[in-house]
Amino acid sequence: DVKVTQSSRYLVKRTGEKVFLECVQDMDHENMFWYRQDPGLGLRLIYFSYDVKMKEKGDIPEGYSVSREKKERFSLILESASTNQTSMYLCASSFSFRRRDRGGGYTFGSGTRLTVV
Amino acid sequence: AQTVTQSQPEMSVQEAETVTLSCTYDTSESDYYLFWYKQPPSRQMILVIRQEAYKQQNATENRFSVNFQKAAKSFSLKISDSQLGDAAMYFCEGSYDKVIFGPGTSLSVIP
Repeated sequence: DVKVTQSSRYLVKRTGEKVFLECVQDMDHENMFWYRQDPGLGLRLIYFSYDVKMKEKGDIPEGYSVSREKKERFSLILESASTNQTSMYLCASSFSFRRRDRGGGYTFGSGTRLTVV
Repeated sequence: AQTVTQSQPEMSVQEAETVTLSCTYDTSESDYYLFWYKQPPSRQMILVIRQEAYKQQNATENRFSVNFQKAAKSFSLKISDSQLGDAAMYFCEGSYDKVIFGPGTSLSVIP
C-alpha cells in the first residue's frame, strides 16, 4: 500500500558533501514536492514540480536543486551540504496543482532525517 | 496575506475524552480547501480530513470532525473518544493559490 517512498529514513553526511534524496510515487501524480520540517517552523516548501523536467522554486530554495527525469521520481540535491541543512525532509505528491482539483490533498513519504556533521 | 495559524503548540487529552485543535486562516480567495494532517512520532504524515470552502456542511471522518466557520476563518478539528494512537503532531493546511501549513499542534493522550 506504499504510495510515496523516500529512499532513506536516516542519513548522516559530512559538510561539503553532495547529497541526493530520492522520492518515488506510484500514484501517477503530476505534482511532486519537497518540504523541510523543523520544530517550531512547520513545513517549508523547497521546490516543487508539476511535470517531468519542470521545476519551480518554493519558499527556501537556496542551497538546493531538484531533478525530475521521470514522472514518478523527484530528487532533491544538496550541492554542498552544510550544518544548517540538518533537518527532516518530506516528499509529497498530489494529483493536481490546480486549486480546484486539490481535494485529494497531499500524500507524503515517511521522511528522511538528514544530519550534516 | 494568506496565512494559517495554529495557536496551540501543545495540547493534551484524557483517553476517551474529546479534544478540539484550533486553526485560523486568512485568504481573500473564495475557492479553496482546508486540510488536517496527522504525523505520529517517527511515522508518516497522513491526511485526516478535508473541507471544501464552498460547502457549508462540516466534514466528518469517523471520530474526527471539523467546525468550519467561514466568516470567522476558523477551521478547528474535533477528536472524539480520544485513543492512545491519536497522539501525534497535527498540521492544518490551507490550499489557496499556494499551499500553506500551520506550525502544528502536538497532541498527547493521557491513559
